Amino acid sequence: DGGITQSPKYLFRKEGQNVTLSCEQNLNHDAMYWYRQDPGQGLRLIYYSQIVNDFQKGDIAEGYSVSREKKESFPLTVTSAQKNPTAFYLCASSIPPGSGGNQPQHFGDGTRLSIL
Amino acid sequence: AQKITQTQPGMFVQEKEAVTLDCTYDTSDQSYGLFWYKQPSSGEMIFLIYQGSYDEQNATEGRYSLNFQKARKSANLVISASQLGDSAMYFCAMREASGSARQLTFGSGTQLTVLP
Repeated sequence: DGGITQSPKYLFRKEGQNVTLSCEQNLNHDAMYWYRQDPGQGLRLIYYSQIVNDFQKGDIAEGYSVSREKKESFPLTVTSAQKNPTAFYLCASSIPPGSGGNQPQHFGDGTRLSIL
Repeated sequence: AQKITQTQPGMFVQEKEAVTLDCTYDTSDQSYGLFWYKQPSSGEMIFLIYQGSYDEQNATEGRYSLNFQKARKSANLVISASQLGDSAMYFCAMREASGSARQLTFGSGTQLTVLP
């Protein structure tokens, strides 16, 4: 079945450590997104990518980095510069812009990141 | 100003009853789309229903319907015949035509609890 796979489901980070969250999709979507969700709140956009080898900052990009070397993959690195990384991280994908405004974003199951 | 406002942090409904979850939005775009997602306690985001700004009919998907009042800028979700499995967090989201890469802006969510 087509879908989005995020791993790991749970991740723990030590002080000063960078960690990378994986996001893989087999939906043949061009656009991919990373969101952060804090308890009891909505989703906030961290980074997005419309096409391979291109990505843009979202609303809260500081302390995060991404790459988009393959269409299927959009890993997110939470760097040591992100002072409050504890949150739930969701990856999403969608068809390219201009292909129909009613197409929703499809989400993975999320990664829960905590500080040790 | 908030682009998406969900004023009900929590709602309770008796099983088999109908419930309305409120959503108001703010945009200067003429073309936009409104989405509702369900997030169970497990964390995944499940797409429920879509309403386009130019759609003349209110959207319906099974037990879900959208009460779209364009002049009031509201897009309330109606769930009919509530089931225990409907207990979850519900998010309203908007995609504006002027937004890049099909970016979604989310509200803060409403936690729905269905009582037996």
